[in-house]
Amino acid sequence: DQQVKQNSPSLSVQEGRISILNCDYTNSMFDYFLWYKKYPAEGPTFLISISSIKDKNEDGRFTVFLNKSAKHLSLHIVPSQPGDSAVYFCAAEENNFNKFYFGSGTKLNVKP
Amino acid sequence: NAGVMQNPRHLVRRRGQEARLRCSPMKGHSHVYWYRQLPEEGLKFMVYLQKENIIDESGMPKERFSAEFPKEGPSILRIQQVVRGDSAAYFCASSPPVPYEQYFGPGTRLTVT
Repeated sequence: DQQVKQNSPSLSVQEGRISILNCDYTNSMFDYFLWYKKYPAEGPTFLISISSIKDKNEDGRFTVFLNKSAKHLSLHIVPSQPGDSAVYFCAAEENNFNKFYFGSGTKLNVKP
Repeated sequence: NAGVMQNPRHLVRRRGQEARLRCSPMKGHSHVYWYRQLPEEGLKFMVYLQKENIIDESGMPKERFSAEFPKEGPSILRIQQVVRGDSAAYFCASSPPVPYEQYFGPGTRLTVT
């Protein structure tokens, strides 16, 4: 049973505009959420995280929003750059058990 | 500081053979995790190990799969009598003693012919 879902397999955005990637989860015990970026033939690279005690975390062009009541998080990239083109995975962790549950990924294409 | 290292990067095995995948964590990291990614899917947790201990193996198939993280040397994911359905990318990640983010290696792509 998929506890973390990314319902958009792909997203195409113009350079300079905002990219919004979405993620939904079902387990209310998840208390730590992360976004990873993955290029082909490479391992995922950590991007940004958020604890369940917060509803927003910002790091440069990347902002993650968490809506606990809706069990939804999103990653905003602004402005988007062609180098951001990659597959983005959201992940969730329960109570520091160190086991991450990953979504199926969203492939972002930023067009020049 | 070298990142997480995995070898081999590509491994081809015939049905019935054994596959051994190795993972060297980042320096100072004592926690190792193995994930599997099937085509068009996300990463699925397999096992979480600390030195000489398996902490959580709830994602490991009950048969043919085993993992270890010895006191010395890399972590090993071992798949016995491989079948075509084992073809996937296997990623190892490591984290420090107070774990938050996990840092991933480049993966081993296993192809079973």
